[in-house]
Amino acid sequence: GAVVSQHPSRVICKSGTSVKIECRSLDFQATTMFWYRQFPKQSLMLMATSNEGSKATYEQGVEKDKFLINHASLTLSTLTVTSAHPEDSSFYICSARGWGLAGETQYFGPGTRLLVL
Amino acid sequence: TQLLEQSPQFLSIQEGENLTVYCNSSSVFSSLQWYRQEPGEGPVLLVTVVTGGEVKKLKRLTFQFGDARKDSSLHITAAQTGDTGLYLCAGSRIYNQGGKLIFGQGTELSVKP
Repeated sequence: GAVVSQHPSRVICKSGTSVKIECRSLDFQATTMFWYRQFPKQSLMLMATSNEGSKATYEQGVEKDKFLINHASLTLSTLTVTSAHPEDSSFYICSARGWGLAGETQYFGPGTRLLVL
Repeated sequence: TQLLEQSPQFLSIQEGENLTVYCNSSSVFSSLQWYRQEPGEGPVLLVTVVTGGEVKKLKRLTFQFGDARKDSSLHITAAQTGDTGLYLCAGSRIYNQGGKLIFGQGTELSVKP
């Protein structure tokens, strides 16, 4: 089945530094990838939609200069949290849209736990 | 405004009991997906329903899509401790807003031995 990977799985950084998270679709091409943020015991909040070769579309309230998204190829999208602060600590999950047995489906990555000290 | 209302948000039951989780909306969805997520991991797709009135079974799990494609339910029969996790419903809007999924609030299920 379709597989989406994320790297790193866990990162701890100092306040003020930037962190890059990679999302890869391993066995299919994903023209669209999505980035989500999730707080403990809560549902997923969509941050942005990333289309290959074009600028990402951000959801209302998400700072595009804070969360830089690049989708340079059909299998890779990156999310860079710039000048990270403790309030950016969260679980970040990407998903890639591809074709599965039930038609077009979103496949989720395993997530990246970010802790900003 | 929450477009997809999921209930209950928390559920604690004993092993062997049955349970139902609901997702309701005033909007029509072209498809609805159910996911299960364990702590520290990404959501794993359980099922996709696309046809109004559709019923799908996955072992002890039964998924139903409402006739009007505005609601869905997940029923678990004879719950086991391994069913513990966060269950999420997510829908795609009828006019497909770029493939975005709209998520419900999630149901945190705890099955005790």
